[in-house]
Amino acid sequence: GIQVEQSPPDLILQEGANSTLRCNFSDSVNNLQWFHQNPWGQLINLFYIPSGTKQNGRLSATTVATERYSLLYISSSQTTDSGVYFCAGKMDSSYKLIFGSGTRLLVRP
Amino acid sequence: DTAVSQTPKYLVTQMGNDKSIKCEQNLGHDTMYWYKQDSKKFLKIMFSYNNKELIINETVPNRFSPKSPDKAHLNLHINSLELGDSAVYFCASSEGLKPYEQYFGPGTRLTVT
Repeated sequence: GIQVEQSPPDLILQEGANSTLRCNFSDSVNNLQWFHQNPWGQLINLFYIPSGTKQNGRLSATTVATERYSLLYISSSQTTDSGVYFCAGKMDSSYKLIFGSGTRLLVRP
Repeated sequence: DTAVSQTPKYLVTQMGNDKSIKCEQNLGHDTMYWYKQDSKKFLKIMFSYNNKELIINETVPNRFSPKSPDKAHLNLHINSLELGDSAVYFCASSEGLKPYEQYFGPGTRLTVT
């Protein structure tokens, strides 16, 4: 089955709006991480969030490991937030990161 | 200061050619990775080295051969390039055998014509 699943696949926001991206992960996955791939293709670490909540400016993330999901919150979105957001988790008994298929975000001015 | 760098950034070549992509990191990490991102943006691990030792070798055609001359460098050589090899290839690094908190290079866009 799908080990890391993201929703929604696509999201269009007006600048200033808030949004929540979701990542569900299977029992064999842990150590969640969120990345942003900007329109120029660069992959940027946002959060390493195996559990709990972290905040960085307008972005915050929460992982509830016992319920196998993680959420990425974007508040007061800006056009520079556009791109693809990936969550990824480490496979048990492996050194591999498994990526979700991403949420493609477009923030309109 | 670039943490993880890749060269070249763009590579256009014809089918059947052999090409290499180079990766260097100055983060002091001892684990490095190669990923392939297809046209649908799906990212998949190809290889990983820890202290120059191969630790991940996914189901990748043996036309792809990674080489790690030292902890700071991981190169990818591709023989007999095929159309399906067109993709963006990312190098990444992390500290120790901890694939989380990986740092990615800028990517190399390979186009095979």
